[in-house]
Amino acid sequence: GESVGLHLPTLSVQEGDNSIINCAYSNSASDYFIWYKQESGKGPQFIIDIRSNMDKRQGQRVTVLLNKTVKHLSLQIAATQPGDSAVYFCAEKGVSRYSTLTFGKGTMLLVSP
Amino acid sequence: GAVVSQHPSRVICKSGTSVKIECRSLDFQATTMFWYRQFPKQSLMLMATSNEGSKATYEQGVEKDKFLINHASLTLSTLTVTSAHPEDSSFYICSADQGELNYGYTFGSGTRLTVV
Repeated sequence: GESVGLHLPTLSVQEGDNSIINCAYSNSASDYFIWYKQESGKGPQFIIDIRSNMDKRQGQRVTVLLNKTVKHLSLQIAATQPGDSAVYFCAEKGVSRYSTLTFGKGTMLLVSP
Repeated sequence: GAVVSQHPSRVICKSGTSVKIECRSLDFQATTMFWYRQFPKQSLMLMATSNEGSKATYEQGVEKDKFLINHASLTLSTLTVTSAHPEDSSFYICSADQGELNYGYTFGSGTRLTVV
């Protein structure tokens, strides 16, 4: 189930389940969105991205959905594995080549064997 | 793929001293690098944008005299935390812009700074 901790919401799933991590982004003018995975003590690792002219993009075991109407982004992970346990962040960026990335609050995914 | 190397990975320093963190793009040139700070269980907060050959652009609330940024070459940016205090203890992460054709950013592995 999903719970909200002091700072970081947590999603707990069983190995093999499909996981869905949600993100509400802030800027309706954002044009580019990225999901990152961050393991403890490490920098963010790129997972998948999507541009605003798309509503779905698939990678290996991961799918990103974008709903611009409600400014919502989701990351679906199929057949979740213990190695998927990490904090997941969505990030948004504007149209300009020089606009910066803004990170969402993050969700901790815990996968039980 | 693009690799960003950040060094050191961990550093402990005494209050009042300065600490330098290096961020290198290993296999590409980065005219722009970014420095973030991350507190436990929180998100990444952009501190500043480092531009090769020019002054860094700092986000609101970030003291430019305390967090000195130098981007002297296309592959190296440094962040110096001056006169460090315990409240500066945090996880500092850099990222580099891979260029015009790729809007994605590659991140370094981060530096855990502890000020005692």
